[in-house]
Amino acid sequence: SQKIEQNSEALNIQEGKTATLTCNYTNYSPAYLQWYRQDPGRGPVFLLLIRENEKEKRKERLKVTFDTTLKQSLFHITASQPADSATYLCALCPTDSWGKFQFGAGTQVVVTP
Amino acid sequence: EAQVTQNPRYLITVTGKKLTVTCSQNMNHEYMSWYRQDPGLGLRQIYYSMNVEVTDKGDVPEGYKVSRKEKRNFPLILESPSPNQTSLYFCASSVTGGGGQPQHFGDGTRLSIL
Repeated sequence: SQKIEQNSEALNIQEGKTATLTCNYTNYSPAYLQWYRQDPGRGPVFLLLIRENEKEKRKERLKVTFDTTLKQSLFHITASQPADSATYLCALCPTDSWGKFQFGAGTQVVVTP
Repeated sequence: EAQVTQNPRYLITVTGKKLTVTCSQNMNHEYMSWYRQDPGLGLRQIYYSMNVEVTDKGDVPEGYKVSRKEKRNFPLILESPSPNQTSLYFCASSVTGGGGQPQHFGDGTRLSIL
């Protein structure tokens, strides 16, 4: 069956350290993988997307990698700040079902000063 | 300001009373989608629309209807709501639906069906 999985345990991290989140998927062949941030009671906000032929993408303190062999994406927040505390979601759209997005359940990140 | 607007933001209603949640976007996006979010289950797609007059089922379409008569609007209809439809609902839009463009989400509608 098709699955997209994120670590359900909250990630507690000290300010200034790097947070690394994992998104694993099975039985999909996505052309893109997206990452979103969600604050409590708010809609997800787009952060980054990466194409299947890209190994790495960066935006300010954020970095995403995409390994289609391992079927895994890693999301890094470097020099983390308390304002980075939120839930982070990964999402993909299967190439054989355009428009039919699948989201992971999200990983909560808590950055303490 | 580019945005996706959902209404209402909160609604408490009773089983069987038809309701509509409206969604409107001002970005001229072709793709629109509805999701529900429940604790521990993440976002699950209800219906999506690749363009005007084109709608398709997502993973959890039972009990819901949608229509896409105009590009900017994508209402979600619950003909006979039941308590298991109590959830947080999000509408989203994107330039296209292939995953190569970001989705823009509304602020959500919290529905309670008693």
